[in-house]
Amino acid sequence: DAKTTQPTSMDCAEGRAANLPCNHSTISGNEYVYWYRQIHSQGPQYIIHGLKNNETNEMASLIITEDRKSSTLILPHATLRDTAVYYCIADSGGSNYKLTFGKGTLLTVNP
Amino acid sequence: SAVISQKPSRDICQRGTSLTIQCQVDSQVTMMFWYRQQPGQSLTLIATANQGSEATYESGFVIDKFPISRPNLTFSTLTVSNMSPEDSSIYLCSVNGQGTGELFFGEGSRLTVL
Repeated sequence: DAKTTQPTSMDCAEGRAANLPCNHSTISGNEYVYWYRQIHSQGPQYIIHGLKNNETNEMASLIITEDRKSSTLILPHATLRDTAVYYCIADSGGSNYKLTFGKGTLLTVNP
Repeated sequence: SAVISQKPSRDICQRGTSLTIQCQVDSQVTMMFWYRQQPGQSLTLIATANQGSEATYESGFVIDKFPISRPNLTFSTLTVSNMSPEDSSIYLCSVNGQGTGELFFGEGSRLTVL
């Protein structure tokens, strides 16, 4: 698995977009970028993943740079319930993959 | 999606005892994963549990300390043996969605060892 680097913490105002960066400069061609989050006292929750193209779902958007060395997770309208630790993971995926979690970014959404 | 139930949700145990954590999934899955999350830390993979074969342990984790059972495609147990205060953690069960690229997690079992 490629190593990922994320800021330790970030703040965001409620209702504004939260942009969470992730560096994965050693990512290989077959590795996806996955984002998970962990709200306090809960198990991690899948958010989104992508390979090359930008992706969007009901929770977030994922922007991957053309060289794939970094990505940004965008929560378009952050709410207080989005306060969580966000993990960016680079992994080759597949039906039997397992994930290696880094330290993640603690996003605090402020009223 | 997959719904994962873990028992117990939390427990307080005495040093030297053992505790078995159960993980039940609402669908059949090939692999189940057990993670540990120590206080204030990220998740660390303990082992991968395959039905019908021995679990595969990650570096730093051994079967004698963390025996795992996987009797069928919807159930697994993790035992934390001969516990010490350093074993105080949240233990999480996880499964992967078939071909979806997602991992689903249980809510975790919070273990405190006195």
